[in-house]
Amino acid sequence: ETGVTQSPTHLIKTRGQQVTLRCSSQSGHNTVSWYQQALGQGPQFIFQYYREEENGRGNFPPRFSGLQFPNYSSELNVNALELDDSALYLCASSPGQAINYGYTFGSGTRLTVV
Amino acid sequence: AQSVTQLGSHVSVSEGALVLLRCNYSSSVPPYLFWYVQYPNQGLQLLLKYTTGATLVKGINGFEAEFKKSETSFHLTKPSAHMSDAAEYFCAVNQAGTALIFGKGTTLSVSS
Repeated sequence: ETGVTQSPTHLIKTRGQQVTLRCSSQSGHNTVSWYQQALGQGPQFIFQYYREEENGRGNFPPRFSGLQFPNYSSELNVNALELDDSALYLCASSPGQAINYGYTFGSGTRLTVV
Repeated sequence: AQSVTQLGSHVSVSEGALVLLRCNYSSSVPPYLFWYVQYPNQGLQLLLKYTTGATLVKGINGFEAEFKKSETSFHLTKPSAHMSDAAEYFCAVNQAGTALIFGKGTTLSVSS
């Protein structure tokens, strides 16, 4: 079975630009979450999607938005990029929305904003 | 609100020595607790989790953790460290059923 795959692995953007990060869930997983991991910090929860609906959101501004598609893949969109958005963005999937399932994480996308 | 504190941002051990990584949590509801490992330039890999039942949880790669409600702790241990254990370790607690709240992480170094 394939795990969680994210693309691209690295990218560099300019402040004020927009970016889209992509995630393919592990086979059989219908729930996707996104996390931001700043350098030297633990991951912080951005939001979660279950069957194409957002069902949880962390303390991130509205310029962070997402989508989940019928095949359960997902996108994270960030508008009006700021320097502090530079981080590793992690996608995680699980077979259901209950937290006790645990998550399978991808290897992340390293975003640098200059 | 739930939170996680990992005591010690950096732990160094010799190969073959006991590994002890400390995690304390606060939670207003019965917690679900997790330990993840992150190798350089990689995502997070689940080591073990506590949801309900037995308080001593065994995970992959010889790691285990014990849930102690009275101490609000979930420390990670391994009897004998291996060079391949060198990595970043994160403790996490659930929040509101949808999100994980992570600690700041502990870097484990293993010397020969």
